[in-house]
Amino acid sequence: AQKVTQAQTEISVVEKEDVTLDCVYETRDTTYYLFWYKQPPSGELVFLIRRNSFDEQNEISGRYSWNFQKSTSSFNFTITASQVVDSAVYFCALSEVGTGANSKLTFGKGITLSVRP
Amino acid sequence: SQTIHQWPATLVQPVGSPLSLECTVEGTSNPNLYWYRQAAGRGLQLLFYSVGIGQISSEVPQNLSASRPQDRQFILSSKKLLLSDSGFYLCAWTQGWNTEAFFGQGTRLTVV
Repeated sequence: AQKVTQAQTEISVVEKEDVTLDCVYETRDTTYYLFWYKQPPSGELVFLIRRNSFDEQNEISGRYSWNFQKSTSSFNFTITASQVVDSAVYFCALSEVGTGANSKLTFGKGITLSVRP
Repeated sequence: SQTIHQWPATLVQPVGSPLSLECTVEGTSNPNLYWYRQAAGRGLQLLFYSVGIGQISSEVPQNLSASRPQDRQFILSSKKLLLSDSGFYLCAWTQGWNTEAFFGQGTRLTVV
């Protein structure tokens, strides 16, 4: 069965600090997809990134970067020079290839990030 | 562009009362539709998903049911709410499988 672990539950940083959110996953499939979502206080989940298991190249999007390492089953998310607007709950998720229940998104429990001015 | 609408935003209902939450998607056809629940301090739990009109798959046994009367409409219902049904309910859609899901703004349900 697939599983996503976000061991950090709450992180608090001061504005402009860099912060890394950890995500460790478990799956028996060789082909799968990993996701990160942001949930601001308003509640709606905002899609940030989707990565397939064959693409281990790190990705950077502005202040956001993602480090995917299959050897350690991790897909970590780093925010550089954090801002107050980054305060939110961040979810990592996994889906296995296929159709039906196996390919549904399995979410971690989320990490609450607070960025203080 | 595609949008997803979910209502109401908040709801306070007494124990034993019925429930109906509605979700509609615009700008796409034949989406996969999902209902998730987020309990306080927890991740998201998939309740139901649907791949087409009238096709509902339940992930966990519970006091809730779902229906898809139209291609882009997904409804979450209960005949009699329990206290444990309180939570934040999110509707989502995907275009096919293994693609990113797009979420509605959620309904915060409090059963009293």
